[in-house]
Amino acid sequence: GENVEQHPSTLSVQEGDSAVIKCTYSDSASNYFPWYKQELGKGPQLIIDIRSNVGEKKDQRIAVTLNKTAKHFSLHITETQPEDSAVYFCAASQWFKTIFGAGTRLFVKA
Amino acid sequence: GAGVSQSPSNKVTEKGKDVELRCDPISGHTALYWYRQRLGQGLEFLIYFQGNSAPDKSGLPSDRFSAERTGESVSTLTIQRTQQEDSAVYLCASSLGQGNSYEQYFGPGTRLTVT
Repeated sequence: GENVEQHPSTLSVQEGDSAVIKCTYSDSASNYFPWYKQELGKGPQLIIDIRSNVGEKKDQRIAVTLNKTAKHFSLHITETQPEDSAVYFCAASQWFKTIFGAGTRLFVKA
Repeated sequence: GAGVSQSPSNKVTEKGKDVELRCDPISGHTALYWYRQRLGQGLEFLIYFQGNSAPDKSGLPSDRFSAERTGESVSTLTIQRTQQEDSAVYLCASSLGQGNSYEQYFGPGTRLTVT
């Protein structure tokens, strides 16, 4: 069945450094790739997304890249801050069905 | 405005009992989704509603799981004869329309523990 693999499962960086999370998806029909941030005790919140007709998208300190041929997409966070500490999920979607990765727990050390 | 709300926030039940989980979507959102999140894992799609109908129920793990939505508003996820493997956080999300052209807004979830 459809699958999304996400790496690493845990990532620890120093404040100000960059963080990169990578995902691979299996369903070639996927055309929408959202990224969510989940803080403790809360539901996931969309932070950025990219569609299959775009290779890269940037929003301030956050950027996503998509390689549809290789079925890879990545999240890049620059100048990390302690408040970026959370669990991040990638996802691949086709119409209403969204398949999530297992999540990356990001720790940003002050 | 008000976001997606879910109740209860926590539920502890004994194995074999039935439970009902409630989701109140954002007003005016026609699409509603249920997900299950096991500890340390990603979200697992269960079911989605467009209006009051559920076009795809393929994500429901077994026939012990059912969901309904009334009045294009509140939705209830029911788990009958709960098992320990049902322990998880159950998340609800709503969106303005169906399909991935619309952002999904998540509630805080219901943490279900089956003892």
